[in-house]
Amino acid sequence: DTGVSQNPRHKITKRGQNVTFRCDPISEHNRLYWYRQTLGQGPEFLTYFQNEAQLEKSRLLSDRFSAERPKGSFSTLEIQRTEQGDSAMYLCASSLWTDSSGNTIYFGEGSWLTVV
Amino acid sequence: AQSVTQLGSHVSVSEGALVLLRCNYSSSVPPYLFWYVQYPNQGLQLLLKYTTGATLVKGINGFEAEFKKSETSFHLTKPSAHMSDAAEYFCAVSPSSDKIIFGKGTRLHILP
Repeated sequence: DTGVSQNPRHKITKRGQNVTFRCDPISEHNRLYWYRQTLGQGPEFLTYFQNEAQLEKSRLLSDRFSAERPKGSFSTLEIQRTEQGDSAMYLCASSLWTDSSGNTIYFGEGSWLTVV
Repeated sequence: AQSVTQLGSHVSVSEGALVLLRCNYSSSVPPYLFWYVQYPNQGLQLLLKYTTGATLVKGINGFEAEFKKSETSFHLTKPSAHMSDAAEYFCAVSPSSDKIIFGKGTRLHILP
């Protein structure tokens, strides 16, 4: 079990460009989460999937953000027309959710985005 | 709505001294509670979690936390601090196996 994998780890982009991050969860984990973290703050919830279904989206997720998990395995987070305020670390996490076990979420190393 | 308050954005303790990081939560349903640690430029690592049952929870690296429902608290402790404990610590709440809501974090500094 290799853990949650995120790519790329670092991305520098010009304002107005589109960027895409990929997350590969722990195998057989049915839930996948995206969070955003800025310097000095805790992670903020963006969205999560159970299998391929997107169950919840935060109000933080503007129309420029879209996340997919087409086959219930890996996920992508795309940011269109990036703005300087999008600069942050984007964290992916996964969990094996069952009725009885609770929900322990395991995080990847994060993808740093810098918009210049 | 669920939320987490971590008292003190920075805490400094001497090496070998007791570590106490404070966390209070609000939740409309019985919560699951977590502590995560984050080292510079890395993701979050789970230290420990409370779901049900025993209110004193032991985690990795000698940390433990006690769930006190009457005080809505879940403070993190370690009897003797080590230099390697210097990191950012996040308390988090999850209402009934839903998404996790994080506090703003406490940066722990270890003084030699």
